[in-house]
Amino acid sequence: EADIYQTPRYLVIGTGKKITLECSQTMGHDKMYWYQQDPGMELHLIHYSYGVNSTEKGDLSSESTVSRIRTEHFPLTLESARPSHTSQYLCATWGMGYGYTFGSGTRLTVV
Amino acid sequence: AQSVTQLGSHVSVSEGALVLLRCNYSSSVPPYLFWYVQYPNQGLQLLLKYTSAATLVKGINGFEAEFKKSETSFHLTKPSAHMSDAAEYFCAVSETGGYQKVTFGIGTKLQVIP
Repeated sequence: EADIYQTPRYLVIGTGKKITLECSQTMGHDKMYWYQQDPGMELHLIHYSYGVNSTEKGDLSSESTVSRIRTEHFPLTLESARPSHTSQYLCATWGMGYGYTFGSGTRLTVV
Repeated sequence: AQSVTQLGSHVSVSEGALVLLRCNYSSSVPPYLFWYVQYPNQGLQLLLKYTSAATLVKGINGFEAEFKKSETSFHLTKPSAHMSDAAEYFCAVSETGGYQKVTFGIGTKLQVIP
């Protein structure tokens, strides 16, 4: 079944650590996105990609980086995690006729 | 510029009562409009979308929404609430068909009281 997967679901990590949030999809969609979601706040687009080797920053400035070496994989990396990075991160794809399909999210806590 | 306003960050209804979640939008061009639902510890799931066809849009789980251009509204309704409807609901707008730029509202948490 076509789907989008995010790992880990929950992550607690110390300040200064490097982390990578994984996002994989079997939808075959070219367009992929990372959103940051905080309680009571809008979802904010932090990165997007329209295909392999294409990455762009979104509306919300983020210290994270992304890569898109394969269509199905769109990982997000924080080189040095800080408490201000504590949030939920949602990965999504977009496909004609589907619209957005979201993963279950990664809830990150930096202590 | 596009924007979305969801009135009421928390809404409580009794089981079996009408659900009404309000969404007003701002858009400089005819918009595409969406409602998403997010259950606890889950990602967002598309409930329904308006893409300039019929103004009354039917979605999953018995929800529907009506596009009213004169009121710039896209309110979400369901005739009879179920306990399983308890979740957070997000209204979203796009001026470009959805993939280039989507703006989400802050969400409305729906509580269903037995």
